[in-house]
Amino acid sequence: KNQVEQSPQSLIILEGKNCTLQCNYTVSPFSNLRWYKQDTGRGPVSLTIMTFSENTKSNGRYTATLDADTKQSSLHITASQLSDSASYICVVSAQTGANNLFFGTGTRLTVIP
Amino acid sequence: EAGVVQSPRYKIIEKKQPVAFWCNPISGHNTLYWYRQNLGQGPELLIRYENEEAVDDSQLPKDRFSAERLKGVDSTLKIQPAELGDSAVYLCASSLFGSVRDSGYTFGSGTRLTVV
Repeated sequence: KNQVEQSPQSLIILEGKNCTLQCNYTVSPFSNLRWYKQDTGRGPVSLTIMTFSENTKSNGRYTATLDADTKQSSLHITASQLSDSASYICVVSAQTGANNLFFGTGTRLTVIP
Repeated sequence: EAGVVQSPRYKIIEKKQPVAFWCNPISGHNTLYWYRQNLGQGPELLIRYENEEAVDDSQLPKDRFSAERLKGVDSTLKIQPAELGDSAVYLCASSLFGSVRDSGYTFGSGTRLTVV
């Protein structure tokens, strides 16, 4: 069964600290993995997209890693800011099937001053 | 570029009333998706269009939900009659060529529906 699991479910950190969010998946055959940031009341916004051959990709203070062998990905946020408070959703795409996107339930990050 | 535009942003209705959501995808994107997102959950696909054709509507509750994409551009999603359990955020997304590998897969800001 194609699934995407994220951890932790929620996280509270102090402004300026770093944090790492985890995503484990069983989607096969794998096409790509995206991390989205979703602010409250807004649609998800893509942060990174990674294909099978990519191990690390950065977007400013966001760095995503992918281990296709263990089917794990992480999103590391450096020097967190209050504006980082949002839900972070891991989305894995399969190469086949009409509905080929599989969503995690997200990690709710709260950055406090 | 405006991105995927949805309206209204918020809607509060009484149960048993009808409601409609509108989506304008990114210009040139031939694939349009409607998702429903419950609080604390990831989006769930309701229907996917390739141009004006609904190619995947297996998750759409057809007894009360309907959708259309006339001319293969804008789309509307309708619920009639609405039930309390329909309260959620309804997201529209669009992509090119029907594959998330080939294009930016872009979400709209969503419509938050509250049924009272």
